[in-house]
Amino acid sequence: ELKVEQNPLFLSMQEGKNYTIYCNYSTTSDRLYWYRQDPGKSLESLFVLLSNGAVKQEGRLMASLDTKARLSTLHITAAVHDLSATYFCAVGGYNYQLIWGAGTKLIIKP
Amino acid sequence: DSGVTQTPKHLITATGQRVTLRCSPRSGDLSVYWYQQSLDQGLQFLIHYYNGEERAKGNILERFSAQQFPDLHSELNLSSLELGDSALYFCASTAGSEQFFGPGTRLTVL
Repeated sequence: ELKVEQNPLFLSMQEGKNYTIYCNYSTTSDRLYWYRQDPGKSLESLFVLLSNGAVKQEGRLMASLDTKARLSTLHITAAVHDLSATYFCAVGGYNYQLIWGAGTKLIIKP
Repeated sequence: DSGVTQTPKHLITATGQRVTLRCSPRSGDLSVYWYQQSLDQGLQFLIHYYNGEERAKGNILERFSAQQFPDLHSELNLSSLELGDSALYFCASTAGSEQFFGPGTRLTVL
């Protein structure tokens, strides 16, 4: 059974700092997703990573994938308040269904 | 705006009742996925339809059922509702490997 673990589950940080969210998964998959969710809102797609060594960047967010280690990271550079949200990783399972991590609630303080 | 629509946005009902949630995928997308997001279970895959046919089932209760119609919209039917069914229900449609989520239906069972 495919399981996805995220850590930390909660992160409070100061603006301007860097930090990394980790996503481990238990069995082989060739698709790794990062989503952002604001309170009470839908899920916004951030990155789709499809191959070992894939790295994608958008603004202050960078995601990477190591399929051998079954690990993805979401790195936040010089955090700003607008990045406060809950971040989910998800792994592509059979038939493109997504298996989700528990989410990381990120609070960025001015 | 992802292009995926869901109605209603909010639904409040009583235990034992039956409700229907509706989803229209993005124009041209043939797949519809349903997910449930609750405080205790997190995000869970429920069911996947492709061009009218059921393709995969996840953690969907027997009290729940779904279908996809010829115009590709999908309905998720929840019956004999229990307090624990209170959750956000999302549908998503796919373009290649990426899944785009609708705004969700918040179901409250009293």
